[in-house]
Amino acid sequence: QKEVEQNSGPLSVPEGAIASLNCTYSDRGSQSFFWYRQYSGKSPELIMFIYSNGDKEDGRFTAQLNKASQYVSLLIRDSQPSDSATYLCAVNRQGGSEKLVFGKGMKLTVNP
Amino acid sequence: KAGVTQTPRYLIKTRGQQVTLSCSPISGHRSVSWYQQTPGQGLQFLFEYFSETQRNKGNFPGRFSGRQFSNSRSEMNVSTLELGDSALYLCASGGGATYEQYFGPGTRLTVT
Repeated sequence: QKEVEQNSGPLSVPEGAIASLNCTYSDRGSQSFFWYRQYSGKSPELIMFIYSNGDKEDGRFTAQLNKASQYVSLLIRDSQPSDSATYLCAVNRQGGSEKLVFGKGMKLTVNP
Repeated sequence: KAGVTQTPRYLIKTRGQQVTLSCSPISGHRSVSWYQQTPGQGLQFLFEYFSETQRNKGNFPGRFSGRQFSNSRSEMNVSTLELGDSALYLCASGGGATYEQYFGPGTRLTVT
């Protein structure tokens, strides 16, 4: 089982819709969870992080964490064409290390 | 505040050569991590440095090495380059308590 798994995608949604991206992880010791956005040819950009069970909202983005189910998701409301990118889920075990384990990423396309 | 900087941005080398990549973290950040990104393997952790000490190392051969200087700048070195080393090498700067990491623009290495 891979440490961090994301749906292979790609995901295509119309402009204005809600895009839902999902991620599961295998290490129960994981403590911090991150979502990065990566545009083609660019480096990953941190857009959300979450540490506690529940929802965390930031503008059009909502991160959801369920540690019991080892599941983290990202919702993008009112999707815009500029949201078209690859979204990477990453987890960190903490314990004095900032090592991130990444999923393979999900490519999102928002159609005008 | 200036972001993470990496030099050079692009590099073309031939098999058997060695290469050194440089990373300057965000001012005040003491942690630097390196990742390799390829289309097939995604983002993979290479190593992490904190206060000039290697804190964690990924599953890469000994040809990959790194170091961190007293000003937190870091370098990574790859010796005896192989075609499979062609990748985007990303440096991430960590702020500590919150375990968030911010990526630099990356160095695109092509081995011919």
